[in-house]
Amino acid sequence: AQKITQTQPGMFVQEKEAVTLDCTYDTSDQSYGLFWYKQPSSGEMIFLIYQGSYDEQNATEGRYSLNFQKARKSANLVISASQLGDSAMYFCAMGPTLGGATNKLIFGTGTLLAVQP
Amino acid sequence: GAVVSQHPSWVICKSGTSVKIECRSLDFQATTMFWYRQFPKQSLMLMATSNEGSKATYEQGVEKDKFLINHASLTLSTLTVTSAHPEDSSFYICSARAATGANVLTFGAGSRLTVL
Repeated sequence: AQKITQTQPGMFVQEKEAVTLDCTYDTSDQSYGLFWYKQPSSGEMIFLIYQGSYDEQNATEGRYSLNFQKARKSANLVISASQLGDSAMYFCAMGPTLGGATNKLIFGTGTLLAVQP
Repeated sequence: GAVVSQHPSWVICKSGTSVKIECRSLDFQATTMFWYRQFPKQSLMLMATSNEGSKATYEQGVEKDKFLINHASLTLSTLTVTSAHPEDSSFYICSARAATGANVLTFGAGSRLTVL
């Protein structure tokens, strides 16, 4: 069975500083995908970044980067130059690689990030 | 980009009534849609996988007679909470995968159900 663990229920960060949100996972699959989503207070889930298990380089999308350490089974999200609008709930998720038969995602419990001015 | 629309965004109903939530893919065709449930301050839990033209696949512990799913077209899936009770009050959110291409799941904005 697949499992996603986010051990930080909440975090504070000062505006313009970088922050790392932790995510570890467990799976017996050889091929898998790791995703990060942002959920503001309005409720919608916003896709941030994706990392495939066979991708050799860490994924980056603007201010978001994913620190993928396969041997440690971790996929931490790094947000650089935090902005007030980054305050939200962040979910790490696991599923098939993009283009797989399904995109059924298993989510972690989330980390609530609060950016302070 | 791909857009998924959910309606209604919030609904209040009396205990014992049924409520229908719609999930539409606005600019792409979705062969598969997923329905999630999220209790306050908790994670999203997958309820069921909705496949166009066939029966939905429910996750363990989810009552299929309680949560009816219909995916009659490539752009619409509906979730009906039958005989709703207060414990069914939750945030229901759908996601869709395009029929073609290696697209990431796109989520709707969610529907908040409150059963009184």
